[in-house]
Amino acid sequence: AQSVSQHNHHVILSEAASLELGCNYSYGGTVNLFWYVQYPGQHLQLLLKYFSGDPLVKGIKGFEAEFIKSKFSFNLRKPSVQWSDTAEYFCAVRLNSGNTPLVFGKGTRLSVIA
Amino acid sequence: SQTIHQWPATLVQPVGSPLSLECTVEGTSNPNLYWYRQAAGRGLQLLFYSVGIGQISSEVPQNLSASRPQDRQFILSSKKLLLSDSGFYLCAWSVLGRGPYNEQFFGPGTRLTVL
Repeated sequence: AQSVSQHNHHVILSEAASLELGCNYSYGGTVNLFWYVQYPGQHLQLLLKYFSGDPLVKGIKGFEAEFIKSKFSFNLRKPSVQWSDTAEYFCAVRLNSGNTPLVFGKGTRLSVIA
Repeated sequence: SQTIHQWPATLVQPVGSPLSLECTVEGTSNPNLYWYRQAAGRGLQLLFYSVGIGQISSEVPQNLSASRPQDRQFILSSKKLLLSDSGFYLCAWSVLGRGPYNEQFFGPGTRLTVL
């Protein structure tokens, strides 16, 4: 069965620090990859997604993620975090076939301090 | 534009009582529909998904059931709640089929507390 691993449960950074959140998945076939973000008190919303093509994907709010097929990874990055990036971040994987649901990681809570 | 509604927003129920959470989607037809439970430190656990009216796939055997009586309505139910059913329940939808439109869109969620 597919699984998604997010290695960091809670990350604390100072403003302007660089961010990298790890995500690894276990499926060897063609996959679609997603990062979702949940700001305090708000809906889960899509940050970025990868379907095909350029493995470096740019999302909203300055986030990007790189798909490395050989490592089964899809790490999320941001060069300089802001206090407003404080949120919970979820990596998700979907088999690129039919109507299969997303499989989510356990999430990483990011706290950005001034 | 599409919108997804969930109600109630919060619910406190005694152990052994029934449950009914409702999710409706507007602005699209034939969506895939999903129920997830979010628990602290455990991420999002897929409970049920549906590709059409009356078609329900269960991912985790448990005390809950789901139904899809109409194209854009998805209901999560229980006959007798357990303490372990407490959590944050999220409904989501996606466009039917594969392709670049198959991201999932999430509702605001229902916070369920079972006492």
